[in-house]
Parts: sequence; C-alpha cells; structure tokens
Amino acid sequence: EDQVTQSPEALRLQEGESSSLNCSYTVSGLRGLFWYRQDPGKGPEFLFTLYSAGEEKEKERLKATLTKKESFLHITAPKPEDSATYLCAVRAGSARQLTFGSGTQLTVLP
Amino acid sequence: DGGITQSPKYLFRKEGQNVTLSCEQNLNHDAMYWYRQDPGQGLRLIYYSQIVNDFQKGDIAEGYSVSREKKESFPLTVTSAQKNPTAFYLCASSISRREAEAFFGQGTRLTVV
Repeated sequence: EDQVTQSPEALRLQEGESSSLNCSYTVSGLRGLFWYRQDPGKGPEFLFTLYSAGEEKEKERLKATLTKKESFLHITAPKPEDSATYLCAVRAGSARQLTFGSGTQLTVLP
Repeated sequence: DGGITQSPKYLFRKEGQNVTLSCEQNLNHDAMYWYRQDPGQGLRLIYYSQIVNDFQKGDIAEGYSVSREKKESFPLTVTSAQKNPTAFYLCASSISRREAEAFFGQGTRLTVV
C-alpha cells in the first residue's frame, strides 16, 4: 500500500528563519511527487512536480527537492504570508489516483 | 475570470437527509474530481470524471453519488448511507490526465447534526 508521511505536523518559525518540511513516501514505482499550498478554509494550490531523484524546483522562497525515499520543501527567509498548510502527494505505479499526506501546518511569526 | 466555484461554502443538514453540493467550472477542463478532507488526514478521492456522462469511483465512494451531464458541472450528493458525512469537501478540475495540477474550488464544509 502506498504511504505518504509528512513531518512535522506543525512548524512555527520567526520571519526570516529558514527551515525544511519533509515528505517521506513508500510506493511501488514513483511516477511523480507533488507539493501544494493550502490556506485555511480554501482548496489546495499546486506548487511543484518532481519526477526523479535529484530533481529540484524553485519558486520564490520555496525549493522542493527529491530523493528516492523523501522530498523536502525548503523555505528560505520565510515571511508571514508563507503561513499555510503544505501538502505533498504521490502517484505511483499503475495507480490512477494520488495519495496525499496529511500536511504540515506552517506558521511564520512577524 | 476563469475558475471553479463550489456552493454553498457552509452547509448544515440533519442526519438521514440527502444533500447535494454544487461544483461549476469555466476553465473548459474535461476532468473533474471530488475529494474529502478530514482533520489530520490527507485528501481522499470520492469520485472523478474524465468526460461528460462518465465517472469513476475513487477510494471512498460509498454513500456518495455524482452526475456529469454537462462539462461545466459535477454535483456531488451525500446520501443518508454515508455514515460519517461531516467533512470539508473539495471539488477540482484539470485538463485530461493532469490530475496533480488540478485547480481546486474553495470547498464546502458540511456539518450533519
């Protein structure tokens, strides 16, 4: 069974304090790992797709990386507006559906 | 503006009643999806549709029904057979075979009392 585990569940940072969120996965044949941002009471917003180990994607203060067992979402010098829940999901093997993690709730304090 | 609209944002229903959640998109997307999100859990797929008049069950379809009579619309009915219907429901749409890059609606929070 495909599994996705995100850690930590919650993270509080001071503005400017860089950190990383983790998404570890156990799947049969990864076909893609995806990161999303979700603001309270809203739907997720797609951020990145990663397909193979060693791949990296960047967008503003966010950088996503992928290894054979996990992905990291690095947040550099975060601002309060980066506060949100960050979700990751995987598509594996012949699965037609995504498997989502439960998310990391990030709070950036001014 | 193009987008995906869910209504209502909040919905209260008595136990044993069926309720229908609305989802409309004007993005000209072929594929549409319904997810359920519970606290501390990831999104779980209820139903999806790749084309008009066709839809497929996701992981947790029991107690739910859908229709896809128009490309723009994909309503979800939560029936009385759904044992734990209180949740946050998300509708999404995408171009074909690009589920991961779907656009999501704002969600409907259903509370059954």
